Amino acid sequence: DQQVKQNSPSLSVQEGRISILNCDYTNSMFDYFLWYKKYPAEGPTFLISISSIKDKNEDGRFTVFLNKSAKHLSLHIVPSQPGDSAVYFCAASFSGSARQLTFGSGTQLTVLP
Amino acid sequence: DVKVTQSSRYLVKRTGEKVFLECVQDMDHENMFWYRQDPGLGLRLIYFSYDVKMKEKGDIPEGYSVSREKKERFSLILESASTNQTSMYLCASSEANTEAFFGQGTRLTVV
Repeated sequence: DQQVKQNSPSLSVQEGRISILNCDYTNSMFDYFLWYKKYPAEGPTFLISISSIKDKNEDGRFTVFLNKSAKHLSLHIVPSQPGDSAVYFCAASFSGSARQLTFGSGTQLTVLP
Repeated sequence: DVKVTQSSRYLVKRTGEKVFLECVQDMDHENMFWYRQDPGLGLRLIYFSYDVKMKEKGDIPEGYSVSREKKERFSLILESASTNQTSMYLCASSEANTEAFFGQGTRLTVV
């Protein structure tokens, strides 16, 4: 049973437009959410996170939104750039878990020049 | 910058071999993790450790064991490699209540 789901395996966006990546979770105990970016043949790199006490966190071109009632979070990238093309993983954890992360299956983002 | 280093980028092993994957972190992190990444399945946790000599099973521990004799080093052991263990293996470390930092990954092929 997947506790963190990314239902879109792929997304294509034109350069300069907004990219919106979505993630749903089922475990209401999760209280910390993260997005990672992964290029082929490299390890994931941390992008942005949000605690369950917030509904929005922004860092430059990246904004994460959390809707706890819907158990849904999204990552917005504005404006999208070709270098953003990568696989994006959503992850979740809860307090007292040594911050072990439960990951979604990933979304391949392609930003077209 | 946090550095997590995995000993090999690519490995090819034969079925039945004992395989060691090594991971070293240089930031004195308490927690260390081993994940495997497979297409369509994301990253799945194999084992983690929150202190020296301590280990906890993750979601898919079968066929694997781990060792953490020193704080900076976390080893993943495949006791008898099988073809269904062909995968990308990712090591990570974290301090309490912070994000995890990943190594570059080891692409293991079992033939």
